[in-house]
Amino acid sequence: QSVLTQPPSVSGAPGQRVTISCTGSSSNIGAGYDVHWYQQLPGTAPKVLIYDNNNRPSGVPDRFSGSKSGTSASLAITGLQAEDEADYFCQSYDTSLSGSVFGGGTKLTVL
Amino acid sequence: QVQLQQWGAGLLKPSETLSLTCAVYGGSFSDYYWSYIRQSPGKGLEWIGEINHSGSTTYNPSLKSRVTISVDTSKNQFSLKLRSVTAADTAVYYCARRFSLGYSHAYYFDYWGQGTLVTVSS
Repeated sequence: QSVLTQPPSVSGAPGQRVTISCTGSSSNIGAGYDVHWYQQLPGTAPKVLIYDNNNRPSGVPDRFSGSKSGTSASLAITGLQAEDEADYFCQSYDTSLSGSVFGGGTKLTVL
Repeated sequence: QVQLQQWGAGLLKPSETLSLTCAVYGGSFSDYYWSYIRQSPGKGLEWIGEINHSGSTTYNPSLKSRVTISVDTSKNQFSLKLRSVTAADTAVYYCARRFSLGYSHAYYFDYWGQGTLVTVSS
């Protein structure tokens, strides 16, 4: 069981908008720690997609956005494209662990 | 451009010690913390621990009794040892650079190694 909870899968048609949730607790997201999102294409290492809740590294399209509220965070993807099909993970800091925690990952299928 | 290249044994028997090394090319080695993260089908991504150039370490409490992360600053390398492995330790192991946002506990992993599949089987 991962410390941060994500839905195992989401899907959407090309051009649609999907959201992926990440639920934590008072020892991580709820304590005010930032949430970061990663995209993992098959057979590759995760790549940071959103950092510090809602910031995009250079090169990441503005179709990707993040938000945080209370003990949860969300990743939104608009204008879905076939190349967005991947696994997505959230990450934060946890005071109980004194280190990083991740979500279990969400597989995005573009129909 | 920063690159992390990792290597180590991919097949172990139960009770053996997992050993991986990660070499860092490009960028500053001393300005960052360096981490190991693993990914297994049942548990998703799991942070194992981290080290800085001075050798200061922090480990995941669930693995702390079996883990040692060390650093060789002369080679810009850091290494992972995980003792007494079992089938539950079967996973893809990644090394990664921890990028700090400049305030307390705000960081993410911006560069990753290619991953090493470690299988534990008798």
